[in-house]
Amino acid sequence: AQRVTQPEKLLSVFKGAPVELKCNYSYSGSPELFWYVQYSRQRLQLLLRHISRESIKGFTADLNKGETSFHLKKPFAQEEDSAMYYCALLFGGSQGNLIFGKGTKLSVKP
Amino acid sequence: EAGVTQSPTHLIKTRGQQATLRCSPISGHTSVYWYQQALGLGLQFLLWYDEGEERNRGNFPPRFSGRQFPNYSSELNVNALELEDSALYLCASSFVGVTEAFFGQGTRLTVV
Repeated sequence: AQRVTQPEKLLSVFKGAPVELKCNYSYSGSPELFWYVQYSRQRLQLLLRHISRESIKGFTADLNKGETSFHLKKPFAQEEDSAMYYCALLFGGSQGNLIFGKGTKLSVKP
Repeated sequence: EAGVTQSPTHLIKTRGQQATLRCSPISGHTSVYWYQQALGLGLQFLLWYDEGEERNRGNFPPRFSGRQFPNYSSELNVNALELEDSALYLCASSFVGVTEAFFGQGTRLTVV
């Protein structure tokens, strides 16, 4: 069955430290994966998608099909990165719907 | 451009009652998705509507239902409310073949 797992509920780092938020997926089809972010008192919004191979706000994520992972990374965390991060899988192909992991709360300390 | 709007913001119901939640998608979006965000459970997929049809359904009992209107707005109905239905209900919209879903602020449903 399709599933998205984010093993860490909370990740706390100091400003300037590297960050890696883990995401593993289980899906028999060809995966399309996304990272969504929710800043305090704001709406859930798209951060990045793997097919774009883009870097947004210094974050990158590489799809590793062998390890079925899509970890989110940033070399130097900033305080404004503190937020809830959700990994999402597009289930059912391009005509499908998103399923989300349970989220990881990132706290960046000064 | 107006974002996804949900109403009401907060809703308090007693056990056994029915709740109706509403969602207006971004103009031009035909797909509407409903998610339940209960404490500690993340976002659980509830329903997906596109062009007025239910396209997919998550692992929820039949007392969770909804519909999509010709103007693409949507309602989520929860019948026979139970205490564990208390959660934030999020609506999202997109063009069909979602590459980016846009979320509303949510409706906080409290069942007492």
